Amino acid sequence: GAGVSQSPSNKVTEKGKDVELRCDPISGHTALYWYRQRLGQGLEFLIYFQGNSAPDKSGLPSDRFSAERTGESVSTLTIQRTQQEDSAVYLCASSLWRVSGREGETQYFGPGTRLLVL
Amino acid sequence: AQSVTQPDIHITVSEGASLELRCNYSYGATPYLFWYVQSPGQGLQLLLKYFSGDTLVQGIKGFEAEFKRSQSSFNLRKPSVHWSDAAEYFCVAYNQGGKLIFGQGTELSVKP
Repeated sequence: GAGVSQSPSNKVTEKGKDVELRCDPISGHTALYWYRQRLGQGLEFLIYFQGNSAPDKSGLPSDRFSAERTGESVSTLTIQRTQQEDSAVYLCASSLWRVSGREGETQYFGPGTRLLVL
Repeated sequence: AQSVTQPDIHITVSEGASLELRCNYSYGATPYLFWYVQSPGQGLQLLLKYFSGDTLVQGIKGFEAEFKRSQSSFNLRKPSVHWSDAAEYFCVAYNQGGKLIFGQGTELSVKP
């Protein structure tokens, strides 16, 4: 079946512009996560959605970052007034659910959006 | 604080040789542990996972990992490496707060 998809695959923008990144999770997955991966580093958690619960925004680095999710489907990550330090690969993942101790916690990742801020 | 450590930033092995990638975690309870692989230009692919039970887990592509509570380790192994295994490997723990904690990654190069 279809995996997690993300668009665009690559995005080049000028400093100060806003960008929107899109994520389509695996159908039926209620949990959706955004991560950032800077060059040569591991992933940093940004934000997490679970069903109709309030999102966990604890990883967002600044108020320039925001994300929305429509129901249990598409999510968009928006970065306003981009800075050069925002250059990174932004990865989206989804999982069946997020209940402690259950198989559904396994996260499946999309291919990422590579963002370059000039 | 909970953390995952991969001591080796870069490893080079010859094709056909055995491989072991090290991972140590710092966590109060038994964590859920994963190994992911990221090939150049590709997303993260799940290799294997440990939730509970048998401490030796088998994954895709001939990989296995062993959970050792006494050593707080979850090392990844493969008996014979193929050139296509060249990639970056991440050891990951899932904490009770619902977040994945990633190690810094180990880049694997394979010599012909």
